[in-house]
Amino acid sequence: GAGVSQSPSNKVTEKGKDVELRCDPISGHTALYWYRQSLGQGLEFLIYFQGNSAPDKSGLPSDRFSAERTGGSVSTLTIQRTQQEDSAVYLCASSSIRGGLAGVGTYNEQFFGPGTRLTVL
Amino acid sequence: GENVEQHPSTLSVQEGDSAVIKCTYSDSASNYFPWYKQELGKGPQLIIDIRSNVGEKKDQRIAVTLNKTAKHFSLHITETQPEDSAVYFCAASMGDYKLSFGAGTTVTVRA
Repeated sequence: GAGVSQSPSNKVTEKGKDVELRCDPISGHTALYWYRQSLGQGLEFLIYFQGNSAPDKSGLPSDRFSAERTGGSVSTLTIQRTQQEDSAVYLCASSSIRGGLAGVGTYNEQFFGPGTRLTVL
Repeated sequence: GENVEQHPSTLSVQEGDSAVIKCTYSDSASNYFPWYKQELGKGPQLIIDIRSNVGEKKDQRIAVTLNKTAKHFSLHITETQPEDSAVYFCAASMGDYKLSFGAGTTVTVRA
């Protein structure tokens, strides 16, 4: 079946402009996550959605970053007034229910999309 | 918060040889340790994981070991093949959705 998809695959923007990144999770997955992957760095957690609610926004680096999810499906990550340090690959992941250990032998795996490479000039 | 360190950052091996990647974590409450493989242009994919109540786990050519006392865990790939070339990430979790990732290891398998 279809995996997690993200668009655009690449985005080049000028400093100060706003950008929107889109994530389409696997159909039926209620949990959705955004991560940022900077050059030479591991994945940095940004935000977690359960349904349309975001119980954990602790990873958003500043108030220029926001995200929403509608209909329990598609999510949009918006970065306002982009800065050069925002340049990174933004990854989205989804899981069938809340990710994590769920009893013996069960882990709710997060499935990742291919990412959006954002370049801020 | 949890801090995961991963070494080496790059690793080049001859086809057929073994590759070992090591990670350390800081929070003794972490109890779940997955490994991800990221191929060029794709998102990371879970390849193997280990729980804190297990010392070693093997799946065909890959294996993971965990030393809770020392707070480190390792990925071992035996009989490496060209398709093993990728970036590998370790991660640690306290059993919930939040994963703390290492910086990644770029593995190149030379034919």
